[in-house]
Amino acid sequence: DAGVIQSPRHEVTEMGQEVTLRCKPISGHDYLFWYRQTMMRGLELLIYFNNNVPIDDSGMPEDRFSAKMPNASFSTLKIQPSEPRDSAVYFCASSIYQGAEQYFGPGTRLTVT
Amino acid sequence: SQQGEEDPQALSIQEGENATMNCSYKTSINNLQWYRQNSGRGLVHLILIRSNEREKHSGRLRVTLDTSKKSSSLLITASRAADTASYFCATDHSGGSNYKLTFGKGTLLTVNP
Repeated sequence: DAGVIQSPRHEVTEMGQEVTLRCKPISGHDYLFWYRQTMMRGLELLIYFNNNVPIDDSGMPEDRFSAKMPNASFSTLKIQPSEPRDSAVYFCASSIYQGAEQYFGPGTRLTVT
Repeated sequence: SQQGEEDPQALSIQEGENATMNCSYKTSINNLQWYRQNSGRGLVHLILIRSNEREKHSGRLRVTLDTSKKSSSLLITASRAADTASYFCATDHSGGSNYKLTFGKGTLLTVNP
């Protein structure tokens, strides 16, 4: 397996623009997680899915953030409109069951100017 | 906050020496995991220790868990320059169907050749 795949790896956009981050989890993994990493706040869980269903989105900072998982092999995290404070590295991770080790993608480095 | 806290924040050692990192947390856990992150990369799972375990080994890694003190330590023996990375502990505080893995801010380990 190729591991968790994220795209794009880098995204630079202007404030107010819509940003869509994509993730393909490892096949057979039932859990998918979206994290955000910044120097100030560390690694924060934004939302996670179990069998494509969002379970806990309490970490999503605002209504500007939304996430979907239309099928077992694809998820998106959308920010609309984007703001400079959204600049961070966004990671997607998947795991085979609740409590198991998580496999992280390479991340998307988002810069909002 | 239930977040695990690593100590020290940064550690610099010579190749061949042992490196010890500590993690403390505040509420009871199901398991505790250690991850490594190389600069610009995603996190990589190292080891998982369950709440009923006291010690676990994996190659040059040794993890201990003291639930009475709510603390864990990660020992890397005979360190190598390639061990240079940030190390994170993650605590599983899940209850019922609500899964929660909380990451600390990490220890930056530098191994000098």
